[in-house]
Amino acid sequence: GESVGLHLPTLSVQEGDNSIINCAYSNSASDYFIWYKQESGKGPQFIIDIRSNMDKRQGQRVTVLLNKTVKHLSLQIAATQPGDSAVYFCAENTMDTGRRALTFGSGTRLQVQP
Amino acid sequence: KAGVTQTPRYLIKTRGQQVTLSCSPISGHRSVSWYQQTPGQGLQFLFEYFSETQRNKGNFPGRFSGRQFSNSRSEMNVSTLELGDSALYLCASSLVRTANGELFFGEGSRLTVL
Repeated sequence: GESVGLHLPTLSVQEGDNSIINCAYSNSASDYFIWYKQESGKGPQFIIDIRSNMDKRQGQRVTVLLNKTVKHLSLQIAATQPGDSAVYFCAENTMDTGRRALTFGSGTRLQVQP
Repeated sequence: KAGVTQTPRYLIKTRGQQVTLSCSPISGHRSVSWYQQTPGQGLQFLFEYFSETQRNKGNFPGRFSGRQFSNSRSEMNVSTLELGDSALYLCASSLVRTANGELFFGEGSRLTVL
């Protein structure tokens, strides 16, 4: 597969452990956030989203936490599996030059050790 | 239903040439966005089309252009290619305007400029 990012921060966890991936966003006016997962050779895949009127949202094995005070977003993956190995991106909905757009973070590589 | 389809998946061009990439969104999706992904810059927004109109544009030179057809299919064109244009070009479709909803990505077109 192709390399998404040669110098991404990497989180290495053991299979079965919980993973926490963090993201600092830039715009305090952002009101919608999404986490994406990108496996090698594939396009990003939606995981979970959260709007700014919420602090927490849960999905299947995943939880997103939003702390607007410090502009921080985190993705928690429970019971991490080898299939979770991928690059994870957060994205924020921002107003850019007067128009809304999604701005992606630089990504974190998750490596799950069997 | 079928996902987002991008063609071609891989292509090699030389400096100065031009290239056209195609994207077929998920049936019923009216918004198509294009992103450039490189190891150094990550995912960068190029432009968004909705109902055949460009609704938003990122910070790329005028060599990068796009269009959307009445069936929502989209093309992007890069003229006078430069070495730095080598990247994975990702297309994403959504039911509503990009920044307000979930994006569905294709697997990308990998462009290499020699």
